[in-house]
Amino acid sequence: QIVLTQSPSASASLGASVKLTCTLSSGHSSYAIAWHQYQPQKGPRYLMKVHGDGRHIKGDGIPDRFSGSGSGTERYLTISSLQPDDEADYYCQTWGTGLNVIFGGGTKVTVL
Amino acid sequence: QLVETGGGLVQPGGSLRLSCAASGFTFSSHIMHWVRQAPGKGLEYVSAISSSGHSTYYGNSVKGRFTISRDNLKDTLYLQMGSLRPEDNGIYYCALGDSALEHWGQGTLVTVSS
Repeated sequence: QIVLTQSPSASASLGASVKLTCTLSSGHSSYAIAWHQYQPQKGPRYLMKVHGDGRHIKGDGIPDRFSGSGSGTERYLTISSLQPDDEADYYCQTWGTGLNVIFGGGTKVTVL
Repeated sequence: QLVETGGGLVQPGGSLRLSCAASGFTFSSHIMHWVRQAPGKGLEYVSAISSSGHSTYYGNSVKGRFTISRDNLKDTLYLQMGSLRPEDNGIYYCALGDSALEHWGQGTLVTVSS
Protein backbone atom coordinates (compact mmCIF):
# COMPACT_ATOMS: atom_id res chain seq x y z
CA GLN A 1 0.00 0.00 0.00
CA ILE A 2 1.54 3.27 -1.18
CA VAL A 3 1.17 6.26 1.13
CA LEU A 4 2.04 9.85 0.22
CA THR A 5 2.88 12.28 3.01
CA GLN A 6 2.79 16.06 2.69
CA SER A 7 3.25 18.86 5.19
CA PRO A 8 -0.08 20.60 5.84
CA SER A 9 1.14 24.11 5.14
CA ALA A 10 3.91 26.24 3.71
CA SER A 11 4.39 29.95 3.24
CA ALA A 12 6.78 32.35 1.59
CA SER A 13 6.89 35.99 0.65
CA LEU A 14 5.72 37.44 -2.63
CA GLY A 15 8.50 37.01 -5.19
CA ALA A 16 10.35 34.38 -3.13
CA SER A 17 10.52 30.62 -3.66
CA VAL A 18 8.85 27.75 -1.86
CA LYS A 19 9.73 24.05 -2.05
CA LEU A 20 7.04 21.50 -1.27
CA THR A 21 7.81 17.90 -0.38
CA CYS A 22 5.87 14.73 -1.05
CA THR A 23 7.26 11.62 0.64
CA LEU A 24 6.54 8.16 -0.70
CA SER A 25 6.19 5.33 1.78
CA SER A 26 9.15 3.05 2.32
CA GLY A 27 9.93 0.69 -0.55
CA HIS A 28 8.45 2.95 -3.22
CA SER A 29 11.44 5.14 -4.08
CA SER A 30 11.18 4.33 -7.81
CA TYR A 31 7.63 5.61 -8.16
CA ALA A 32 6.72 8.67 -10.16
CA ILE A 33 4.24 11.15 -8.80
CA ALA A 34 2.16 13.98 -10.20
CA TRP A 35 1.65 17.44 -8.72
CA HIS A 36 -1.71 19.19 -8.89
CA GLN A 37 -2.75 22.69 -7.88
CA TYR A 38 -6.20 23.19 -6.33
CA GLN A 39 -7.91 26.53 -6.05
CA PRO A 40 -11.54 26.54 -4.81
CA GLN A 41 -12.89 28.71 -7.59
CA LYS A 42 -10.93 27.00 -10.34
CA GLY A 43 -10.73 23.34 -9.38
CA PRO A 44 -7.72 21.06 -9.80
CA ARG A 45 -4.99 21.75 -12.35
CA TYR A 46 -2.37 19.23 -13.36
CA LEU A 47 1.12 20.70 -13.03
CA MET A 48 3.67 18.01 -13.78
CA LYS A 49 4.89 14.48 -13.41
CA VAL A 50 8.09 13.84 -11.41
CA HIS A 51 9.85 10.56 -12.07
CA GLY A 52 11.90 8.46 -9.70
CA ASP A 53 15.13 9.73 -11.24
CA GLY A 54 14.08 13.31 -10.57
CA ARG A 55 13.10 14.21 -14.14
CA HIS A 56 9.96 16.24 -14.45
CA ILE A 57 7.56 16.71 -17.36
CA LYS A 58 5.22 19.66 -17.09
CA GLY A 59 1.68 19.91 -18.30
CA ASP A 60 0.63 22.25 -21.07
CA GLY A 61 0.87 25.93 -20.21
CA ILE A 62 2.55 25.49 -16.84
CA PRO A 63 4.89 28.43 -16.24
CA ASP A 64 8.65 27.98 -15.95
CA ARG A 65 8.36 29.16 -12.34
CA PHE A 66 7.11 25.68 -11.48
CA SER A 67 9.70 22.90 -11.40
CA GLY A 68 9.98 19.40 -10.02
CA SER A 69 12.76 17.21 -8.68
CA GLY A 70 13.27 14.18 -6.51
CA SER A 71 15.62 12.21 -4.32
CA GLY A 72 15.04 8.81 -2.79
CA THR A 73 11.46 8.67 -1.58
CA GLU A 74 11.00 12.43 -1.73
CA ARG A 75 9.51 14.35 -4.61
CA TYR A 76 9.61 18.11 -4.70
CA LEU A 77 7.68 20.94 -6.26
CA THR A 78 9.47 24.29 -6.32
CA ILE A 79 7.59 27.47 -7.10
CA SER A 80 9.83 30.42 -7.85
CA SER A 81 8.95 34.11 -7.97
CA LEU A 82 5.78 33.49 -5.97
CA GLN A 83 2.72 35.30 -7.21
CA PRO A 84 -0.54 35.96 -5.36
CA ASP A 85 -2.31 33.53 -7.69
CA ASP A 86 0.00 30.73 -6.53
CA GLU A 87 -1.84 30.68 -3.22
CA ALA A 88 -3.54 27.30 -3.37
CA ASP A 89 -3.53 23.74 -2.12
CA TYR A 90 -0.98 21.48 -3.77
CA TYR A 91 -1.50 17.74 -3.94
CA CYS A 92 0.81 14.96 -4.96
CA GLN A 93 -0.66 11.86 -6.56
CA THR A 94 0.71 8.50 -7.57
CA TRP A 95 -0.52 5.25 -9.00
CA GLY A 96 0.12 1.54 -8.72
CA THR A 97 -0.72 -1.43 -10.88
CA GLY A 98 -4.47 -1.14 -10.43
CA LEU A 99 -6.98 1.40 -11.65
CA ASN A 100 -6.92 3.61 -8.60
CA VAL A 101 -4.66 6.51 -7.81
CA ILE A 102 -3.46 7.75 -4.42
CA PHE A 103 -3.41 11.32 -3.18
CA GLY A 104 -1.33 12.94 -0.50
CA GLY A 105 -3.09 15.04 2.09
CA GLY A 106 -2.20 18.31 0.39
CA THR A 107 -0.11 21.35 1.33
CA LYS A 108 -1.72 24.75 1.67
CA VAL A 109 0.59 27.44 0.31
CA THR A 110 0.21 30.98 1.62
CA VAL A 111 1.84 33.90 -0.13
CA LEU A 112 2.87 36.47 2.48
CA GLN B 1 -12.22 19.28 -22.25
CA LEU B 2 -14.20 17.54 -19.53
CA VAL B 3 -17.57 18.95 -18.50
CA GLU B 4 -19.48 17.60 -15.49
CA THR B 5 -23.21 17.99 -15.05
CA GLY B 6 -25.91 16.56 -12.84
CA GLY B 7 -25.08 17.98 -9.46
CA GLY B 8 -27.72 19.51 -7.22
CA LEU B 9 -29.58 19.35 -3.94
CA VAL B 10 -30.79 15.94 -2.82
CA GLN B 11 -32.22 14.63 0.43
CA PRO B 12 -30.34 12.10 2.55
CA GLY B 13 -31.03 8.63 1.21
CA GLY B 14 -31.68 9.99 -2.25
CA SER B 15 -29.98 9.40 -5.58
CA LEU B 16 -28.22 11.49 -8.17
CA ARG B 17 -26.52 10.76 -11.48
CA LEU B 18 -23.49 12.74 -12.54
CA SER B 19 -22.25 12.92 -16.10
CA CYS B 20 -18.91 13.96 -17.56
CA ALA B 21 -18.77 14.74 -21.26
CA ALA B 22 -15.35 14.53 -22.88
CA SER B 23 -14.15 16.24 -26.01
CA GLY B 24 -10.76 16.57 -27.64
CA PHE B 25 -9.59 13.22 -26.29
CA THR B 26 -9.56 9.65 -27.51
CA PHE B 27 -11.94 8.98 -24.65
CA SER B 28 -12.19 5.25 -25.18
CA SER B 29 -8.43 4.81 -24.74
CA HIS B 30 -8.15 6.16 -21.21
CA ILE B 31 -8.94 5.31 -17.62
CA MET B 32 -11.45 7.75 -16.17
CA HIS B 33 -11.85 8.82 -12.56
CA TRP B 34 -14.14 10.63 -10.13
CA VAL B 35 -12.58 12.69 -7.34
CA ARG B 36 -14.43 14.84 -4.81
CA GLN B 37 -13.65 17.76 -2.56
CA ALA B 38 -15.72 18.05 0.60
CA PRO B 39 -15.94 21.46 2.26
CA GLY B 40 -12.75 22.12 4.20
CA LYS B 41 -11.21 18.77 3.32
CA GLY B 42 -8.66 17.44 0.87
CA LEU B 43 -9.18 15.71 -2.42
CA GLU B 44 -10.81 12.31 -1.97
CA TYR B 45 -10.59 9.62 -4.57
CA VAL B 46 -14.02 8.20 -5.36
CA SER B 47 -13.95 5.80 -8.27
CA ALA B 48 -12.24 4.72 -11.47
CA ILE B 49 -13.15 2.77 -14.59
CA SER B 50 -10.96 1.11 -17.18
CA SER B 51 -10.91 2.28 -20.78
CA SER B 52 -13.18 -0.58 -21.85
CA GLY B 53 -15.48 -0.21 -18.87
CA HIS B 54 -14.95 -3.79 -17.80
CA SER B 55 -13.03 -2.99 -14.61
CA THR B 56 -13.97 -0.59 -11.85
CA TYR B 57 -12.61 0.65 -8.52
CA TYR B 58 -14.42 2.30 -5.61
CA GLY B 59 -13.17 4.05 -2.53
CA ASN B 60 -14.27 2.49 0.75
CA SER B 61 -16.57 5.39 1.61
CA VAL B 62 -18.73 4.89 -1.51
CA LYS B 63 -18.45 1.16 -2.15
CA GLY B 64 -21.87 -0.42 -2.55
CA ARG B 65 -23.61 2.94 -2.94
CA PHE B 66 -22.06 4.45 -6.09
CA THR B 67 -21.71 2.96 -9.57
CA ILE B 68 -19.31 4.23 -12.20
CA SER B 69 -19.93 3.58 -15.88
CA ARG B 70 -19.00 4.95 -19.27
CA ASP B 71 -20.38 5.14 -22.79
CA ASN B 72 -17.47 5.17 -25.21
CA LEU B 73 -19.78 5.88 -28.14
CA LYS B 74 -20.97 9.04 -26.44
CA ASP B 75 -17.58 9.94 -24.88
CA THR B 76 -19.32 10.25 -21.54
CA LEU B 77 -18.53 9.09 -18.02
CA TYR B 78 -21.21 8.59 -15.37
CA LEU B 79 -21.45 8.27 -11.61
CA GLN B 80 -24.72 6.91 -10.25
CA MET B 81 -24.88 7.87 -6.58
CA GLY B 82 -27.35 6.21 -4.23
CA SER B 83 -28.13 6.15 -0.50
CA LEU B 84 -26.61 9.61 -0.30
CA ARG B 85 -25.37 10.89 3.04
CA PRO B 86 -24.50 14.37 4.28
CA GLU B 87 -20.84 13.36 4.17
CA ASP B 88 -21.15 12.96 0.38
CA ASN B 89 -21.47 16.74 0.12
CA GLY B 90 -18.89 18.36 -2.09
CA ILE B 91 -17.68 19.20 -5.53
CA TYR B 92 -17.30 16.18 -7.80
CA TYR B 93 -14.64 16.26 -10.49
CA CYS B 94 -14.06 13.88 -13.33
CA ALA B 95 -10.49 13.35 -14.46
CA LEU B 96 -8.73 11.57 -17.28
CA GLY B 97 -5.43 9.76 -16.88
CA ASP B 98 -3.82 6.35 -17.07
CA SER B 99 -1.28 7.30 -14.40
CA ALA B 100 -1.15 11.01 -13.63
CA LEU B 101 -4.56 12.67 -13.80
CA GLU B 102 -3.61 15.03 -16.60
CA HIS B 103 -7.02 16.49 -17.36
CA TRP B 104 -9.73 17.67 -15.00
CA GLY B 105 -13.25 18.97 -15.34
CA GLN B 106 -14.51 22.11 -13.62
CA GLY B 107 -16.64 20.14 -11.16
CA THR B 108 -20.29 19.83 -10.22
CA LEU B 109 -21.64 20.56 -6.73
CA VAL B 110 -23.56 17.92 -4.82
CA THR B 111 -25.46 18.98 -1.71
CA VAL B 112 -27.07 16.35 0.47
CA SER B 113 -29.44 18.00 2.91
CA SER B 114 -32.98 17.80 4.16
